[in-house]
Amino acid sequence: QVQLQESGPGLVKPSQTLSLTCTVSGGSISSGDHYWSWIRQPPGKGLEWIGYIYYRGGTFYSSSLKSRVTISVDTSKSQFSLRLTSVTAADTAVYYCARRVVGTTVTNSWFDPWGRGTLVTVSS
Amino acid sequence: QSVLTQPPSVSGAPGERVTISCTGSSSNIGANYGVQWYQQVPGTAPKLLIYDNNNRPSGVPDRFSGSKSGTSASLAITGLQAEDEADYYCQSYDNSLSGNWVFGGGTKLTVL
Repeated sequence: QVQLQESGPGLVKPSQTLSLTCTVSGGSISSGDHYWSWIRQPPGKGLEWIGYIYYRGGTFYSSSLKSRVTISVDTSKSQFSLRLTSVTAADTAVYYCARRVVGTTVTNSWFDPWGRGTLVTVSS
Repeated sequence: QSVLTQPPSVSGAPGERVTISCTGSSSNIGANYGVQWYQQVPGTAPKLLIYDNNNRPSGVPDRFSGSKSGTSASLAITGLQAEDEADYYCQSYDNSLSGNWVFGGGTKLTVL
């Protein structure tokens, strides 16, 4: 079955750019039914959806983060990536990549499976 | 503050039934968007438990069930087991400017 694995630096300095990559295995990233998402969870807090990308490159971002977020895809490597600019301590979180599965309508969708997550700390 | 509101904690003894509520508004659950539920054991990634209001993925025990009415949804767990102790999150779509795919703040289930 499909598995996802996040990778990237665990420590980023304030004002710099956070960059993470998610590698998809056990299935095709080019499946027409799925979208590839990033979700984060600050320590001890709840989940926040960041955005998603379709394998052909179409993207959609959270309104609260869209000025700082870019998600890209490399189908040849079965990878998609997250860039978050101008980070602050508030961006410290466990970052998860997940597959967004579309149900009967585009707005009715869910996240399954998830990667194991990677902790990114923003600190000087 | 989360768009979807959940109680911070619930508890129950082994074998009992517990429910976790998820309250939204007319821009999400009340707009007839589907509700999902995830289980997160501390230190691990969330796992899909219920999708599209009341559907269980393969492998999820039928002790878990979901329902939706108006602007709220609920997750019910019957025959509570020690392994059910975890955090539970609801998720839906929101058509306002506050974000699009939204989660509840999470509920910590303690098995007494």
